[in-house]
Amino acid sequence: KAGVTQTPRYLIKTRGQQVTLSCSPISGHRSVSWYQQTPGQGLQFLFEYFSETQRNKGNFPGRFSGRQFSNSRSEMNVSTLELGDSALYLCASSLRQGANNEQFFGPGTRLTVL
Amino acid sequence: AQTVTQSQPEMSVQEAETVTLSCTYDTSESDYYLFWYKQPPSRQMILVIRQEAYKQQNATENRFSVNFQKAAKSFSLKISDSQLGDAAMYFCAVTGTASKLTFGTGTRLQVTL
Repeated sequence: KAGVTQTPRYLIKTRGQQVTLSCSPISGHRSVSWYQQTPGQGLQFLFEYFSETQRNKGNFPGRFSGRQFSNSRSEMNVSTLELGDSALYLCASSLRQGANNEQFFGPGTRLTVL
Repeated sequence: AQTVTQSQPEMSVQEAETVTLSCTYDTSESDYYLFWYKQPPSRQMILVIRQEAYKQQNATENRFSVNFQKAAKSFSLKISDSQLGDAAMYFCAVTGTASKLTFGTGTRLQVTL
């Protein structure tokens, strides 16, 4: 069974631009969560989607948004990029929503904002 | 709100020896889960072990085991017979009724010959 895939793996953007990252969960998984990892702030939860609906949201500005499609694939969008948005963005999928469902992580997308 | 504290930024262990990584947490939820994740240089987060808070028995996965002290809100990871492949960043995490994981700052484990 294929794991969680994220595209692109690496991305370079300039300040003010916007970016869209994609995550394909493991087949059959319906919950997708996104995390941001930076040296300064560590790993922080962005949001979780289940059945095409955002179920939880972390403490990030409205420039960060996401969505989930009917096939459970998810995208996250960051508008008006800032230097501080440079990070590794990790996606995780699980069968269902809820803490007792193991989350499987993808390899991440490394975003660099110049 | 949930918080996780890992007070050891770096640890070192010799191959075949045992090492313990520390973690303390705080949560207002009565039902929660605790995890240890491993992140090697490839950056792929890998689940090492999980513990349901309602279970008194400490979880074990092959060479990995935990010491869960609920009253002290402590959740340490013991790695026995350390191997070179165990070298990585280790993150302690907690989650409540939702899927949101709250992570600690991580412990970098070096394994030496």
